[in-house]
Amino acid sequence: GAVVSQHPSWVICKSGTSVKIECRSLDFQATTMFWYRQFPKQSLMLMATSNEGSKATYEQGVEKDKFLINHASLTLSTLTVTSAHPEDSSFYICSAIPLGSYEQYFGPGTRLTVT
Amino acid sequence: RKEVEQDPGPFNVPEGATVAFNCTYSNSASQSFFWYRQDCRKEPKLLMSVYSSGNEDGRFTAQLNRASQYISLLIRDSKLSDSATYLCVVANFGNEKLTFGTGTRLTIIP
Repeated sequence: GAVVSQHPSWVICKSGTSVKIECRSLDFQATTMFWYRQFPKQSLMLMATSNEGSKATYEQGVEKDKFLINHASLTLSTLTVTSAHPEDSSFYICSAIPLGSYEQYFGPGTRLTVT
Repeated sequence: RKEVEQDPGPFNVPEGATVAFNCTYSNSASQSFFWYRQDCRKEPKLLMSVYSSGNEDGRFTAQLNRASQYISLLIRDSKLSDSATYLCVVANFGNEKLTFGTGTRLTIIP
């Protein structure tokens, strides 16, 4: 079945540094990937839609200069949290839709802690 | 008002019992509806899609009422492995932009 991986699965970084999270579709190609964020006891919130070969579309309230998204190939999207602050600590989850399908497959998530 | 509202629970239910979750959505243009389950510190996984006519998958039954903008999930003969958070999810055009409810936490008690 469709498998999506994320790397790293967890990361701890210091305030002010940048962190890159990778999202890969392992056995399918996806022109569209999504990035979500989930704070404790809250719902997943869509941050942005990542389109292969073009600029990402950000949801209202999400700073595009802080959360840099690159979708360089049909199997890889990256999210870089720049100048991270403690309030960016969260569970970041990506998802991808296989070409010709409608179902979203989620990655296992990346837990970011900013100290 | 949240786009998708659920009773957060928690629901503590004895093994073998039947439990029902409800969900309401605010956008009448929503076209697709799903139930996902999410285990602690894991990604959400699709449990089932919800169709207008209602649909069943084993012990799980989902219902949709478009007029009332209401979705339900019924779990019969609950198992310990059903313990999880159940997320009500709606989508507008296509199934790309998913809007998640906050989830209802279910614990099945032996």
